[in-house]
Amino acid sequence: DAGITQSPRHKVTETGTPVTLRCHQTENHRYMYWYRQDPGHGLRLIHYSYGVKDTDKGEVSDGYSVSRSKTEDFLLTLESATSSQTSVYFCAISDPGDSQPQHFGDGTRLSIL
Amino acid sequence: GDSVTQMEGPVTLSEEAFLTINCTYTATGYPSLFWYVQYPGEGLQLLLKATKADDKGSNKGFEATYRKETTSFHLEKGSVQVSDSAVYFCALSVASGGSYIPTFGRGTSLIVHP
Repeated sequence: DAGITQSPRHKVTETGTPVTLRCHQTENHRYMYWYRQDPGHGLRLIHYSYGVKDTDKGEVSDGYSVSRSKTEDFLLTLESATSSQTSVYFCAISDPGDSQPQHFGDGTRLSIL
Repeated sequence: GDSVTQMEGPVTLSEEAFLTINCTYTATGYPSLFWYVQYPGEGLQLLLKATKADDKGSNKGFEATYRKETTSFHLEKGSVQVSDSAVYFCALSVASGGSYIPTFGRGTSLIVHP
């Protein structure tokens, strides 16, 4: 299995608080992605990264920011969490030479009250 | 924009039944097509893919053929098992500015009874 670790796995927080989710890979792969999964919507891309300090927005990027200062870590930050950001968040990576997400983490279940 | 449409679920089958999950797409370019599977409590796993017309992707007894003329990529399996119970996602990916950004369908839940 690809070495992808998401942390935390579960988090409950209050509206207006900042939240940071971490994705760590041991594969040294170039492409990393953050998705959210919601009933009726499938997976929607929030942000992705194609290298250290190289990131771009996905279709639902409003209210989210990302950083990638090292190849192995891709951080997703909710600057001021809202209840609409309650979701399950997945990180994904791509195999070398391929930019399609092929390996996913086990997800972070985030609840914002 | 690019999009993927999957049949609504859940699909409920008895063990050893034949499975078809329909997937159609619209894309501005020439996409690569994928099926992913998500088991309960886990992340998605790439199940199979096809990168050009008439290609057949296959894995673990599942198959899907890239049909450009009907813009479809239907997932099939000849004999399902209880362990195949999961959510299946169809996806496409088209090059955009040097990157490939995948678009996912909403997922189809499969329930297989003994």
